[in-house]
Amino acid sequence: DTGVSQDPRHKITKRGQNVTFRCDPISEHNRLYWYRQTLGQGPEFLTYFQNEAQLEKSRLLSDRFSAERPKGSFSTLEIQRTEQGDSAMYLCASSLSGSNYNEQFFGPGTRLTVL
Amino acid sequence: GENVEQHPSTLSVQEGDSAVIKCTYSDSASNYFPWYKQELGKGPQLIIDIRSNVGEKKDQRIAVTLNKTAKHFSLHITETQPEDSAVYFCAATGGSYIPTFGRGTSLIVHP
Repeated sequence: DTGVSQDPRHKITKRGQNVTFRCDPISEHNRLYWYRQTLGQGPEFLTYFQNEAQLEKSRLLSDRFSAERPKGSFSTLEIQRTEQGDSAMYLCASSLSGSNYNEQFFGPGTRLTVL
Repeated sequence: GENVEQHPSTLSVQEGDSAVIKCTYSDSASNYFPWYKQELGKGPQLIIDIRSNVGEKKDQRIAVTLNKTAKHFSLHITETQPEDSAVYFCAATGGSYIPTFGRGTSLIVHP
């Protein structure tokens, strides 16, 4: 257990529905990242926050995806109008700026299945 | 952007043998290279990392080597055990602090 938690661990939804995932980082970590991982691939960067500011977004993050970190602690990732191609593991990681080259600690992930 | 290639995609060894996983990267500005182990149903867990100013680092049965000139780095696991079976990912990180991951190596250690 790295100290990063994600909820839910599994989500099955029908195409067109909206889903929201939550990530709770290690409490003193000010950076929070979202990744997507599909079968046979490494994690792919989606977006990251430093405190409550969203500093970078990948081109993978379509306009159906939105992420927030309103108080600089937990974060949510929402996917609107889900598509079958959104089926993947969504991983959250956190780190402390100024630490060892930004060592990141990952949560267990949320596995999304879109039917 | 950064591109990380990882080989092999699958590695099968007998318990007690050594395992070597190799990665290459494209961006000469990358300066931090973590390795992650991912077990089924879990998130990646950092097992060892190396910085660009170091050529080799060892932690018990695990070692990493880095050749900045050739832009390649490797993970070495000695005396493999069945519990080492997992998917291993290499990554390269530059000034953006956002790692680019390889596609992973599925290591199977047969008892």
